[in-house]
Amino acid sequence: KAGVTQTPRYLIKTRGQQVTLSCSPISGHRSVSWYQQTPGQGLQFLFEYFSETQRNKGNFPGRFSGRQFSNSRSEMNVSTLELGDSALYLCASSASQGGGYGYTFGSGTRLTVV
Amino acid sequence: QQQVKQSPQSLIVQKGGISIINCAYENTAFDYFPWYQQFPGKGPALLIAIRPDVSEKKEGRFTISFNKSAKQFSLHIMDSQPGDSATYFCAASEEGAQKLVFGQGTRLTINP
Repeated sequence: KAGVTQTPRYLIKTRGQQVTLSCSPISGHRSVSWYQQTPGQGLQFLFEYFSETQRNKGNFPGRFSGRQFSNSRSEMNVSTLELGDSALYLCASSASQGGGYGYTFGSGTRLTVV
Repeated sequence: QQQVKQSPQSLIVQKGGISIINCAYENTAFDYFPWYQQFPGKGPALLIAIRPDVSEKKEGRFTISFNKSAKQFSLHIMDSQPGDSATYFCAASEEGAQKLVFGQGTRLTINP
């Protein structure tokens, strides 16, 4: 079965712009979580969605937002981009109701802010 | 209290040797401890996971040892192979939190 698909794979944006990243979970998975990965901070939790509801949010500014659609696909948006937002953004899907159990990660979107 | 501390940051092991990566945590509410393997250009992939009611879990060459009283857990890779060269992350979560807390990662290199 198809894995978690993240698009685009790479993005270059300018400071002040906004960006939208997309994640299609494994078919049948209703939980989608987003993580930011940087060399300095490692993997940090952004937010988790289940059945179109955000159930948990990490310690990130309000510029980071997300949503989940009825088909479980999810998007995350970062507005007013800063240089420090450059990172690998990872999406994970799970059949369970969150908790990090049985995550399958996508290959990520590499965002570079210049 | 939400941190998971992982060591070492990097590790070099000879082919056929045993690779050992350690993690420690403070939050006693954590009830799920997975290990992930990440290759360059890929997302982390779940290797093996353990619950605190078990002291050891083995899957092939990979073993998790769990010490609840010390709040520590470790990953052992037996007969390490060059294909095991990757970055390894430990993580932890608690029921109801809907998230994983990750360690900082260990870059493992297996020399042929």
